[in-house]
Amino acid sequence: NAGVTQTPKFRILKIGQSMTLQCTQDMNHNYMYWYRQDPGMGLKLIYYSVGAGITDKGEVPNGYNVSRSTTEDFPLRLELAAPSQTSVYFCASYTGTELFFGSGTQLSVL
Amino acid sequence: AQSVTQLDSQVPVFEEAPVELRCNYSSSVSVYLFWYVQYPNQGLQLLLKYLSGSTLVKGINGFEAEFNKSQTSFHLRKPSVHISDTAEYFCAVISTSYDKVIFGPGTSLSVIP
Repeated sequence: NAGVTQTPKFRILKIGQSMTLQCTQDMNHNYMYWYRQDPGMGLKLIYYSVGAGITDKGEVPNGYNVSRSTTEDFPLRLELAAPSQTSVYFCASYTGTELFFGSGTQLSVL
Repeated sequence: AQSVTQLDSQVPVFEEAPVELRCNYSSSVSVYLFWYVQYPNQGLQLLLKYLSGSTLVKGINGFEAEFNKSQTSFHLRKPSVHISDTAEYFCAVISTSYDKVIFGPGTSLSVIP
């Protein structure tokens, strides 16, 4: 099993550009999460999903969108990138007793 | 909704000294609790978790934590720290009915030789 795979690992965007952060898990977990990590701020929940076709907002959803068409994939979409979205993004899947994290995407918006 | 507080943003401690990292949570329902560690420039790794049963839980690398329901706390302890324990430590909570996993702001542990 590959676990949770995130792509890309690094990305630089210009203000106003859009992009999709990809997240795939091969463990058949229903629960998946997107977090952003800013220095000194811990991990903030952006969106989460409890299964295919079901998503809900987390603590900081503004400026982001998600979809969950399959159990495996949970992409995060940035429509109009802003400097405030410069962060490290982590995707995770949950077994019911443990979160498994991807390796993260470092995004800079300039 | 759940929330997590980690009162100490930075904890410096000398090598071989004991350490306690504090975590308090707020929830109107039963919860599961976790401690995750993030070493410099790495991802997050599970240290330990409380799901049910004994309130004292042991994790990897000699860490342990005690769940105190009346004080809504889940403090992390280690009797003797090593240089390699220098890292960011995050407490997290989820309701037992499963929805959001909420993290605290983290505590930066620095072990001084």
